[in-house]
Amino acid sequence: ETGVTQSPTHLIKTRGQQVTLRCSSQSGHNTVSWYQQALGQGPQFIFQYYREEENGRGNFPPRFSGLQFPNYSSELNVNALELDDSALYLCASSLSGRDTQYFGPGTRLTVL
Amino acid sequence: LAKTTQPISMDSYEGQEVNITCSHNNIATNDYITWYQQFPSQGPRFIIQGYKTKVTNEVASLFIPADRKSSTLSLPRVSLSDTAVYYCLVGDKGAGGTSYGKLTFGQGTILTVHP
Repeated sequence: ETGVTQSPTHLIKTRGQQVTLRCSSQSGHNTVSWYQQALGQGPQFIFQYYREEENGRGNFPPRFSGLQFPNYSSELNVNALELDDSALYLCASSLSGRDTQYFGPGTRLTVL
Repeated sequence: LAKTTQPISMDSYEGQEVNITCSHNNIATNDYITWYQQFPSQGPRFIIQGYKTKVTNEVASLFIPADRKSSTLSLPRVSLSDTAVYYCLVGDKGAGGTSYGKLTFGQGTILTVHP
């Protein structure tokens, strides 16, 4: 059984650019959730996708958007990057929206 | 959504048993208690989940008293590699407390294991 994977591992962008982060869910899981973790803080919920539909959203602006594909993998897109977007972005998958979530290793995004 | 309170930090030594207590006075009837472990620059790792009494797996034990207003994560014989942040979450089975499984993380407990 393959766990949650994320790509890339690290990414450096400049302010104003756009970025796409990718996540492959654990085998058998149809739900993917995205989190942002700033240094020294706990992860903050961005949104969740269940069967290709956005299933819930946290307090993040519309320039944070996502997609889920028929194989349940997912993308997180961030437009007009700001310095404060520098963080560890985490993806978690679960059997369904309210089941136990299992996290990937994260993508470290640095915005200069 | 039940709020949790944990110690900010704890220190221990190799080989000792470590108990981290989490308070959740407003836990709802259907809520589960879930613990995650996180190493620097890595994703949180699911440790254990329980509803009442005691749950044990190969990594830890979770003790939940009858009133369920607190819980204790017990790590037997810790090693240096157990140095990490430990998060206690309360909610539905996904520990989200919402219809869509949003996890709400607090600051967690920084456990430092010394040689």
